[in-house]
Amino acid sequence: DIVMTQSPDSLAVSLGERATINCKSSQSVLYSSNNKNCLAWYQQKPGQPPKLLIYWASTRESGVPDRFSGSGSGTDFTLTISSLQPEDVAVYYCQQYCDIPRTFGHGTKVEIK
Amino acid sequence: EVQLVESGGGLVQPGGSLRLSCAVSGFTFSDYWMSWVRQAPGKGLEWVASIKQDGSGTYYVDSVKGRFTISRDNAKNSLYLQMNSLRDEDTAVFYCARENYCFDFWGQGTLVTVSS
Repeated sequence: DIVMTQSPDSLAVSLGERATINCKSSQSVLYSSNNKNCLAWYQQKPGQPPKLLIYWASTRESGVPDRFSGSGSGTDFTLTISSLQPEDVAVYYCQQYCDIPRTFGHGTKVEIK
Repeated sequence: EVQLVESGGGLVQPGGSLRLSCAVSGFTFSDYWMSWVRQAPGKGLEWVASIKQDGSGTYYVDSVKGRFTISRDNAKNSLYLQMNSLRDEDTAVFYCARENYCFDFWGQGTLVTVSS
């Protein structure tokens, strides 16, 4: 199984400042069919289902604010919120969809400092 | 508008059974893989099972193999999860999700509580 390891477990960032979340996979998640990384990021607010933010490691889902960006390749990935807003308080998960079982990171809780 | 609506959750005793349903609208159901993802109280997300567009392939996390069965009825735009031999550790919110490589649409979830 591909193990997804996120860091940090939580972080507190001032409004308007940058938040950076890391995700490392135990093996490459490069999808050979299109040479893209099968890595997604989700945002989950309390009492709500997860919401897709980023897929193929760096493609922003329709309607997602451009302050959210994804980067990385191979086994190391990053989700960046360039200017934290109050509505961004949530838990963020990375997930690989290259292989079965599909696996998620354990989540990173983002709060306002 | 894409909608996924789960139902069938509830309280069940250890060893019992439950059948979850997910009613789908707003897209051509038969074009997509579909999945169940669960979240134990206060915990992270765990993929449970997926099914191919025509039901010809099903896949499960090891912890539910032999106990859970995913199925679909494309004529009814519905996804199902038959859960048998339920354990305390199966207590979770179960989400139905459309699988378009990643999980691009999710339902609101249905809570399954396994307790005596």
